[in-house]
Amino acid sequence: EAQVTQNPRYLITVTGKKLTVTCSQNMNHEYMSWYRQDPGLGLRQIYYSMNVEVTDKGDVPEGYKVSRKEKRNFPLILESPSPNQTSLYFCASSSPRSGVYNEQFFGPGTRLTVL
Amino acid sequence: GESVGLHLPTLSVQEGDNSIINCAYSNSASDYFIWYKQESGKGPQFIIDIRSNMDKRQGQRVTVLLNKTVKHLSLQIAATQPGDSAVYFCAETAPLGAGGTSYGKLTFGQGTILTVHP
Repeated sequence: EAQVTQNPRYLITVTGKKLTVTCSQNMNHEYMSWYRQDPGLGLRQIYYSMNVEVTDKGDVPEGYKVSRKEKRNFPLILESPSPNQTSLYFCASSSPRSGVYNEQFFGPGTRLTVL
Repeated sequence: GESVGLHLPTLSVQEGDNSIINCAYSNSASDYFIWYKQESGKGPQFIIDIRSNMDKRQGQRVTVLLNKTVKHLSLQIAATQPGDSAVYFCAETAPLGAGGTSYGKLTFGQGTILTVHP
C-alpha cells in the first residue's frame, strides 16, 4: 500500500531532551516536507526537501533540523525541544506534476507534547 | 510574510445542498492555489488545484473558482454528502525567487469546518 508513515504517533517529552520524528514514504517521491498544525493557525511548513541532500526552510524552521540522506526518509529533529513546539506534526511527500508539488500525500501525524 | 486566509471558519449545510467555501489570499506572486480536505484524526488530502492563468477548474463534484482581481478563491462542492464533513484548507505556492521555476513552499490558510447534516 502506498503510504507515508510517521513514528512515533504520540510523544510526550520534557524540555531540552533531543528527539527525532521519523518519516518514510514508499512511493519513490522526490519531494518531502514537514508541517506543524496548531489550532487557529492551520498548517505551517517547517522544512522541505526537493531531492536527496537538498533541503530548504519553510515558514517556521527555527528549532528544527532535517536531513535527507535517502529518498524514502526525511526525519525531523528537535535538538532542544521547548513547550512552544507542542503541536501536531505532519510529514508529506509528492512527485512533480508539471514541475509543481501541489498534490502532497500526508502521513497520519505525530502529536508531540513538550513539558 | 504574506499568508492565505479564510472568510468563514465554519459552514453547516444539509445533505444534498451545494457548499461554497471561500478563501482570500494576499500574495500576488502566487501561481497555484490548492484545496485540501482534512477528516478528523487524519492528514490532509489533496482535492484540486488551479493555476493563476485559469479562473475555473472542475473535478468530480467540485469546482474551484479563482478571482485574481480581488484575490479570492472558492471551492464549490455539489450535492454535499455527510462524508464531505471535514476541515477544508486552501493553500498557495509561488515560484522561489524572481523568475524562479521551483515550487517547493506551500502556505496554508487557517481552514473552514464543513458540517453536513443528514
